[in-house]
Order: sequence, then structure tokens, then C-alpha cells
Amino acid sequence: QVQLQESGPGLVKPSGTLSLTCAVSGGSISSNNWCWWSWVRQPPGKGLEWIGEIYHSGSTNYNPSLKSRVTISVDKSKNHFSLKLSSVTAADTAVYYCARRTDDFKSGNYGYFDYWGQGSLVTVSS
Amino acid sequence: EIVLTQSPGTLSLSPGERATLSCRASQSVSSSSLAWYQQKPGQAPRLLIYGASSRATGIPDRFFGSGSGTDFTLTISRLEPEDSAVYYCQQYGGSPVLYSFGQGTKLEIK
Repeated sequence: QVQLQESGPGLVKPSGTLSLTCAVSGGSISSNNWCWWSWVRQPPGKGLEWIGEIYHSGSTNYNPSLKSRVTISVDKSKNHFSLKLSSVTAADTAVYYCARRTDDFKSGNYGYFDYWGQGSLVTVSS
Repeated sequence: EIVLTQSPGTLSLSPGERATLSCRASQSVSSSSLAWYQQKPGQAPRLLIYGASSRATGIPDRFFGSGSGTDFTLTISRLEPEDSAVYYCQQYGGSPVLYSFGQGTKLEIK
């Protein structure tokens, strides 16, 4: 059973950089050729927004609305992946989730998030 | 960008009734890339349906996904109190945003 766990500071100052790490357990981050590792956020009381994803090779895809400020990286030796979001404002206050996207080539179904972390609330405030 | 619009915004039903939740896409979406999630307060989203109609592991057959093109539906039969949650649809493969979520439907069980 794969488990994901976010960690990082819960408070970031405006104009600073938000940094979170997602530790993956129950399986190797690089053992699955059909999984990408994503970050999704949810402002308080609002809906879900996809931030970006990374493959174990290091390939990334980002939401264009955040691309200029986002960096996602992977550390296979530690079996974790990380998110950095720069120049944060109060609008970046949200619960940040890490999630695993799976593609099921056998059934021909793609792009669904089957495992999620419990979420990490990050507040941007001075 | 593909926009997913869910309706209704809020649904209030009694135990034992059937809930019908709609997800409409701004352009045609591949059925193989449409998923539904359940989110309870303070919890992460939970995958219910993928590929528009395939139930995720451990999801009871009271949850049924259907649809194609631009119109998708999540039907929950024989509602139970624990079905109270916000339900989101999600699609994959759009451009320039790879993943889009609907704004959610809040289901209240009276």
C-alpha cells in the first residue's frame, strides 16, 4: 500500500519561497513506469488546483498559471519529491497535497490520482 | 483550457435516496481520462471512479459513473449518511493545463 506524506513549514512570509517535501512509502518512486508524482493545492473553502508533476526521470509538467514560480524535483535515493513555489502571496495560502497519478495501460484509462497525502496547510503571512 | 462545470452546487437528499451529480466539459473529453473524487472535511480527496465508469479499489457498487464527450454523471444510489461530502470531477489531457477539476458538488444527507 503506497503512502504519501507531506512535510514542510506551515508559515511562509510574503515574497518568500514555499518548500514542501512528499515522502513516498510502500513502494519505490522509480519502480512504476506508469506513475507521475503531482502537487495539488486547495485554498481554504475552495476547490482543487493542479500545480505540477514529475516523473522519476526528472521530466516535469507544470500548470502554466504557476510555471514561472514553481519547481518540482525528485530525489530517488530518498524516495521523495519536492515542491518549491517562489514569490508567494496570501493567494498561495492553501492545503497542499501530493498525489500519485496512475495510467492503466491495460484498461486504457489515464491520468487519475489514486493515492494522496493527507495534506499540509501552508499559510502565507508576515 | 478545458473547464469542467459541476451541477448542482449543493444537493440535499435523505438516506436511501439516489443522488445524480453532473460534470459538463467545455469541450469533448476522453472518457478514459475522466475521474471522480470524494472529499470529506479535513481529508484528502479519495478516488471513486476513473475512466468515467471504473470503480476504484474498495468503492461500493452504489457509486456509478457514466457519460461521454462533454457530459458525465456520478450516480450514488441508496444514500448513506457517510456519503456526505464534496464530490469533484477531474479530467486529464487538456492543454495548456494538463489536469482540470470541477468546482465541486456538495452532497448533504439530511
